[in-house]
Amino acid sequence: DGGITQSPKYLFRKEGQNVTLSCEQNLNHDAMYWYRQDPGQGLRLIYYSQIVNDFQKGDIAEGYSVSREKKESFPLTVTSAQKNPTAFYLCASSIDPGAGEFYEQYFGPGTRLTVT
Amino acid sequence: AQKVTQAQTEISVVEKEDVTLDCVYETRDTTYYLFWYKQPPSGELVFLIRRNSFDEQNEISGRYSWNFQKSTSSFNFTITASQVVDSAVYFCALSAPGSGYSTLTFGKGTMLLVSP
Repeated sequence: DGGITQSPKYLFRKEGQNVTLSCEQNLNHDAMYWYRQDPGQGLRLIYYSQIVNDFQKGDIAEGYSVSREKKESFPLTVTSAQKNPTAFYLCASSIDPGAGEFYEQYFGPGTRLTVT
Repeated sequence: AQKVTQAQTEISVVEKEDVTLDCVYETRDTTYYLFWYKQPPSGELVFLIRRNSFDEQNEISGRYSWNFQKSTSSFNFTITASQVVDSAVYFCALSAPGSGYSTLTFGKGTMLLVSP
């Protein structure tokens, strides 16, 4: 079945440690996205990538880093510089919007990160 | 700038009641896209509908219907004869590509609780 996988579902880390969240898709989508969701809040965009080896900062990129070495994969690293990393992280993918168009994004099951 | 407002934080209904979730958006672009997503307790966002700004026809899909009104910048979602399985957080989202690349702006969501 086509879809997006994120692992692990729950992740616990000590403050000061970097942690990498996995996101893999087999939908053959060019565009991929990372969002952060806090309780009672909507989704906020961290990073997005339209194509392999290229990515752009979203609204809240500080303290995060990404890579896009393969079309299928878009891992997110939460660095120790992120001041409040505990949150629910969602990865998504879509057909590349291009200019003037926008397609629905499909989401993975999410990773709930707790940093203590 | 783009903005999506979902004024209803939480709605509680009894099964079989009809319920309408409100969404008001702001954008200066004439071409834009509106979306609704459902987030059940499992956390994964499920795509429900995509609508572009040039298509003002209302849409019905089973018990779901959407009312798009450009004059009031609203894109409301109605569930007819609600069921317990409809309990979830529902997000309205907007993308306004304009002449360049755009991303998705989410509202803060409306939590719908349907009791038996």
